[in-house]
Amino acid sequence: EAGVAQSPRYKIIEKRQSVAFWCNPISGHATLYWYQQILGQGPKLLIQFQNNGVVDDSQLPKDRFSAERLKGVDSTLKIQPAKLEDSAVYLCASSSVTGTYNEQFFGPGTRLTVL
Amino acid sequence: SQQGEEDPQALSIQEGENATMNCSYKTSINNLQWYRQNSGRGLVHLILIRSNEREKHSGRLRVTLDTSKKSSSLLITASRAADTASYFCATAGAQKLVFGQGTRLTINP
Repeated sequence: EAGVAQSPRYKIIEKRQSVAFWCNPISGHATLYWYQQILGQGPKLLIQFQNNGVVDDSQLPKDRFSAERLKGVDSTLKIQPAKLEDSAVYLCASSSVTGTYNEQFFGPGTRLTVL
Repeated sequence: SQQGEEDPQALSIQEGENATMNCSYKTSINNLQWYRQNSGRGLVHLILIRSNEREKHSGRLRVTLDTSKKSSSLLITASRAADTASYFCATAGAQKLVFGQGTRLTINP
């Protein structure tokens, strides 16, 4: 079974530029998550999708971050404009059921550096 | 917040020894999960223990959960160099999984 795919793996941008990350979850997984992990900390949930609907985006900085999952499969996360404090690893995860009753499967992440 | 807090923040032991990590949290949970993260394999789920369970085993891993004390522990027995990683507890409410800051485990040869 193929795992969660993410691209790019690394991205370096200047502050105030925009950037987009892509995620393709495990086939058949209805729930998709985006996390932000700052160095030395645990992952923090940014947004959760169930199919193509948003379940939780309470910690998404909506003035600069946006995410979509148009066909209920792959997803993109965008930052515009980027700030220095956005430097982090962005993790995508998926699970087969809604909620937290089962494990989540994580992709390799995209390491973003904002200069 | 129901965020888990791991203790210790860092742990260094000799290969073959046992490693114990603790996690405390603040609010009621549905389940508690442990994940491992290293540079080679990213973030990987290790074990899930439900709120009505007290102990669970998986290979060399043993997890306990004490809901009255709002705490959990992860024991890795007979540690190996490959166990070097960061370990996170994640507390699960109805919809959201909240991760702690992690314990950095180093296994010395």
